[in-house]
Amino acid sequence: NAGVTQTPKFQVLKTGQSMTLQCAQDMNHNSMYWYRQDPGMGLRLIYYSASEGTTDKGEVPNGYNVSRLNKREFSLRLESAAPSQTSVYFCALNGRGGWGYTFGSGTRLTVV
Amino acid sequence: AQKVTQAQTEISVVEKEDVTLDCVYETRDTTYYLFWYKQPPSGELVFLIRRNSFDEQNEISGRYSWNFQKSTSSFNFTITASQVVDSAVYFCALSENQGGSEKLVFGKGMKLTVNP
Repeated sequence: NAGVTQTPKFQVLKTGQSMTLQCAQDMNHNSMYWYRQDPGMGLRLIYYSASEGTTDKGEVPNGYNVSRLNKREFSLRLESAAPSQTSVYFCALNGRGGWGYTFGSGTRLTVV
Repeated sequence: AQKVTQAQTEISVVEKEDVTLDCVYETRDTTYYLFWYKQPPSGELVFLIRRNSFDEQNEISGRYSWNFQKSTSSFNFTITASQVVDSAVYFCALSENQGGSEKLVFGKGMKLTVNP
């Protein structure tokens, strides 16, 4: 999706391994988000960042950490992956006033 | 806390049928935004519509129409004369400003299958 780049697109991890999902934008938006999508659960907010250097927990933050070191990038880290973290992860951006949320193309993560 | 309910989890119709996807939301705020997204089998999220809480006008875009009723906290989506390409998962979502931050909350989605 234009403006939001997520990497990697696919990943398989073994239980206990760590990894970082990367999200980068070129839309100069302040707010960035990480969601996970599981069957029958919709998209649930993991963490969000209203601006560079700030982060807040969403609905399902356990097992994750995030980092927003600059305006462009918002990374999601799994320190010790668990099978329950098998999911599709989406990064999103938002301009002011809920005007428009732009989503990345997603990362499909499998933890075995 | 904000909440979005899509009571229907899955619907199957035959091509050319009309279908309505229900969405009911809860929020304490007076200013909020409602969205519909489409997720085709390829997996990306496709933006369909955004509506702010002060605009209750219904909207029509081709075969798609939306009915926003604040009195019942509903934002329903109708596809007229459905086509196979409409087969997807559809999400209703609510964006609200909490503590200075906008957050988007999704319903659980409704899978629509349109059969030829």
